[in-house]
Amino acid sequence: DTAVSQTPKYLVTQMGNDKSIKCEQNLGHDTMYWYKQDSKKFLKIMFSYNNKELIINETVPNRFSPKSPDKAHLNLHINSLELGDSAVYFCASSPLSDRPFYEQYFGPGTRLTVT
Amino acid sequence: RKEVEQDPGPFNVPEGATVAFNCTYSNSASQSFFWYRQDCRKEPKLLMSVYSSGNEDGRFTAQLNRASQYISLLIRDSKLSDSATYLCVVITRGSGNTGKLIFGQGTTLQVKP
Repeated sequence: DTAVSQTPKYLVTQMGNDKSIKCEQNLGHDTMYWYKQDSKKFLKIMFSYNNKELIINETVPNRFSPKSPDKAHLNLHINSLELGDSAVYFCASSPLSDRPFYEQYFGPGTRLTVT
Repeated sequence: RKEVEQDPGPFNVPEGATVAFNCTYSNSASQSFFWYRQDCRKEPKLLMSVYSSGNEDGRFTAQLNRASQYISLLIRDSKLSDSATYLCVVITRGSGNTGKLIFGQGTTLQVKP
């Protein structure tokens, strides 16, 4: 009965590779997000999708491409991985697109290490 | 200047102590405020919302001062299980109905027996 799930939990890969992280929520929420938490623990929003449409796109390199096949899924594809991409990536969801101030439910995170 | 600033700590306190965390934000148009808790190597979870009138949830009290752009969290009678990082979160309305969450760096609390 996991609310927000992410796969994989750990990802170790080499520079230059392309990788994807998957996220699914079974809460029936309209809005989903990707966050990056760096080594200094700052959690920064990357993208937000509402009902499969992109609504927030922060200053993120275009090597990062989110894809939302349906309301319950938001995947993150990263091309040409760089050392600086090493971080923990959290997926989150929240209910009701017109009320973005509701509680956000986070997935367990994907720890990405680029070597 | 960071949009949301917190003292990263760590705050080391004995069980039973009262501890207070502060957070300042730079955007006066910010509309909603929260405290999240993050345990080591885990995801953040909502602890409580913060209202201008102040709100209390058991041993936890949150306060917002809009004039000074300042948020606080008070924990009374600290328990070992309170050890975690406490993240101050500020939401600023974006275009349309979008809201942008901005997280502080977090304040680490260690409660010792």
